[in-house]
Amino acid sequence: KAGVTQTPRYLIKTRGQQVTLSCSPISGHRSVSWYQQTPGQGLQFLFEYFSETQRNKGNFPGRFSGRQFSNSRSEMNVSTLELGDSALYLCASSLAIADEQFFGPGTRLTVL
Amino acid sequence: DAKTTQPPSMDCAEGRAANLPCNHSTISGNEYVYWYRQIHSQGPQYIIHGLKNNETNEMASLIITEDRKSSTLILPHATLRDTAVYYCIHRGILGNEKLTFGTGTRLTIIP
Repeated sequence: KAGVTQTPRYLIKTRGQQVTLSCSPISGHRSVSWYQQTPGQGLQFLFEYFSETQRNKGNFPGRFSGRQFSNSRSEMNVSTLELGDSALYLCASSLAIADEQFFGPGTRLTVL
Repeated sequence: DAKTTQPPSMDCAEGRAANLPCNHSTISGNEYVYWYRQIHSQGPQYIIHGLKNNETNEMASLIITEDRKSSTLILPHATLRDTAVYYCIHRGILGNEKLTFGTGTRLTIIP
């Protein structure tokens, strides 16, 4: 079975721009979660989707949003990028919300 | 805030058992203990989880104390590839709370 895939793997943007990251979960997995990882804050939960509905949300500003499609693929969007948004963005999928999560390789976003 | 406490770093000799402790004194009766690890520049990798009984799989063993306030992850024969940051997390079985990662333990396997 193919693992979680994330595209793109690397991205460079400038302040004020917006960005969309994509995540394809493991086949059959219906829950997708997103995390931000930075050296200073560690791994922080962004949001979790199940069956196209956001089930949990972390403490991030409204510039961070996401969605899930009927095939369980998910996207997250960050608008009006700030320098502090530079991070590794990780996506994880699981069969259901409470099950173990399998992480993708991440998208490394650099904001200049 | 993270709900678990782990030592920031540990060393272990290659071939020996690595024992990684975790305190989760606020764990409730319906919360699982999960362990993940993250090798540099990769996404975290699921290792094992348990509720109250000890668990073993092909990667590791999980020992949970009777009062469930602490647990130990055991890598029976550590190899250099086990060098990583190990995270201990607890989460309700209903999954209606966000997953919170702490700072983890940086395990270094020494040749």
